[in-house]
Amino acid sequence: DQQVKQNSPSLSVQEGRISILNCDYTNSMFDYFLWYKKYPAEGPTFLISISSIKDKNEDGRFTVFLNKSAKHLSLHIVPSQPGDSAVYFCAASASPSGTYKYIFGTGTRLKVLA
Amino acid sequence: DAGVIQSPRHEVTEMGQEVTLRCKPISGHNSLFWYRQTMMRGLELLIYFNNNVPIDDSGMPEDRFSAKMPNASFSTLKIQPSEPRDSAVYFCASSSLLEYGYTFGSGTRLTVV
Repeated sequence: DQQVKQNSPSLSVQEGRISILNCDYTNSMFDYFLWYKKYPAEGPTFLISISSIKDKNEDGRFTVFLNKSAKHLSLHIVPSQPGDSAVYFCAASASPSGTYKYIFGTGTRLKVLA
Repeated sequence: DAGVIQSPRHEVTEMGQEVTLRCKPISGHNSLFWYRQTMMRGLELLIYFNNNVPIDDSGMPEDRFSAKMPNASFSTLKIQPSEPRDSAVYFCASSSLLEYGYTFGSGTRLTVV
């Protein structure tokens, strides 16, 4: 049973436009959410986070939105750049602590076209 | 700090052979996680340790998989005997109480033929 779902395996966007990556979760105990970015042959790297007490968190070109009632979060990248081409994973946990487990989604491969 | 170090980077083995994957977490991190990446299931948590003690191994797919953390600076994931369906990229990650999320290693790409 996949508790964290990313229903779009891939997404292509023109350079300069907005990229929107979506993530749904089923466990209402999840209160902390992360987005990771992964380049080929590298490990995932942390991108941005959000706590359930917020509905939006922004860091430069990256914004994460959380709709807790819908159990849905999204990552917006504006403007998209070719260097953003990577696989993006969302992850959820019931605790903010790094000592607790995060459940990851299946990933969305983003391709930004120059 | 050199980050989370995994070895080997690539492993090709024959079905039925024993495979051992290794991980050195970041110094000072007291939590260690083993994940497996596949196309179908994404990043799947296999097992994690806090202070060298296994906390949750419910993601370990079968008894063929085992993991140990004999000390704070080393962990192994062993598959015995290996099967072709075990082919995947295996990631190790570490963290601490004050960290928000994990630091991942570069992964081990395992191919079982």
